[in-house]
Amino acid sequence: AQTVTQSQPEMSVQEAETVTLSCTYDTSESDYYLFWYKQPPSRQMILVIRQEAYKQQNATENRFSVNFQKAAKSFSLKISDSQLGDAAMYFCASVTQGGSEKLVFGKGTKLTVNP
Amino acid sequence: DVKVTQSSRYLVKRTGEKVFLECVQDMDHENMFWYRQDPGLGLRLIYFSYDVKMKEKGDIPEGYSVSREKKERFSLILESASTNQTSMYLCASSPAPYGYTFGSGTRLTVV
Repeated sequence: AQTVTQSQPEMSVQEAETVTLSCTYDTSESDYYLFWYKQPPSRQMILVIRQEAYKQQNATENRFSVNFQKAAKSFSLKISDSQLGDAAMYFCASVTQGGSEKLVFGKGTKLTVNP
Repeated sequence: DVKVTQSSRYLVKRTGEKVFLECVQDMDHENMFWYRQDPGLGLRLIYFSYDVKMKEKGDIPEGYSVSREKKERFSLILESASTNQTSMYLCASSPAPYGYTFGSGTRLTVV
């Protein structure tokens, strides 16, 4: 069974600084996808970034990038030039390719951005 | 834009009531999911559906059932609501593995 672990219940960052959110996962499958979702106070879950396990290159979306370490089963999210609008709950998630297509989520990290 | 709509944003029900949470997607996705979100526990899968009339239990199905009579609609049913079912409920649909699209959630309070 897949598991996803986020070891940081809360993090804070100064506006314009960089912050890294940690995520580790465990799966016996070779084909899988990893995701970071953002949930602001509005409660709408928003897909931030996606990584295919077979790709060695780390995914990047504007100020958001990941550090994907497949051997270590680590998938951290780096937010550069943090903005007040980045304040939210961040969830790491994984899904197995060709499997039941159920997303498995971590427990989340609450990010506070200080002005 | 892809859309998943949950019929209620806030809901207050009494213990023992039968509760229906509705979810509609407009993307012709085959897969739909119901999650429950609680502080410190993240999102836990209640039920999911691969197609019309197809359903499978997730990790915490006890006390819940689902219905999918049409492809675009996936309903979560609390047969007899209890206070421990007070929670945030999130519906999602997916052309996985490209990531889910979520509804905006229903915050259910059972009193």
